[in-house]
Amino acid sequence: QKEVEQDPGPLSVPEGAIVSLNCTYSNSAFQYFMWYRQYSRKGPELLMYTYSSGNKEDGRFTAQVDKSSKYISLFIRDSQPSDSATYLCAMSPGGGADGLTFGKGTHLIIQP
Amino acid sequence: DSGVTQTPKHLITATGQRVTLRCSPRSGDLSVYWYQQSLDQGLQFLIQYYNGEERAKGNILERFSAQQFPDLHSELNLSSLELGDSALYFCASSLRIGSGNTGELFFGEGSRLTVL
Repeated sequence: QKEVEQDPGPLSVPEGAIVSLNCTYSNSAFQYFMWYRQYSRKGPELLMYTYSSGNKEDGRFTAQVDKSSKYISLFIRDSQPSDSATYLCAMSPGGGADGLTFGKGTHLIIQP
Repeated sequence: DSGVTQTPKHLITATGQRVTLRCSPRSGDLSVYWYQQSLDQGLQFLIQYYNGEERAKGNILERFSAQQFPDLHSELNLSSLELGDSALYFCASSLRIGSGNTGELFFGEGSRLTVL
């Protein structure tokens, strides 16, 4: 079993829909959880950063962590075609950039 | 623009050859990380350098090596290349001098290696 599991998709939804992206993990030492967004032919860029369980909201994006279930989610409200990208979850035991383990990424397509 | 520069952007070579990938981190960032991205394995951590010293090793093959120079730029050397080494290689940097470590990695645009 991989440490971090993420459905690769593709996930295709119409513009304006609410998108739910998810990851499960097996390492209970993970305390810090991130979502990176990667556009085609570009490097990943940090979208959301959360610590431990709970929710964090930033504009149209909400990150949710349930450590008891070892499950994290990213919700995108009012999805736009510009949100079309690959979304990678990442997690680490410590708060820094060291020891990050990435999911394989979910390819998201927002249809205009 | 993340501020991380990688060269070359594309590289095509033959099995058995050796290549060098170059990375200039964001100005002031002390840590450089190398990642390999492929469709089947996703983004895999290879190695990290901090201020010129090796700090952590991930799934890096013995045929691969890296170093970070005094000016903080880094090179990843891949030798005895095999077909399976074809992938996107990313460099990322973090830990700017004078700031806390937020955990954010700043990625370059990658070097796409094709081994024929």
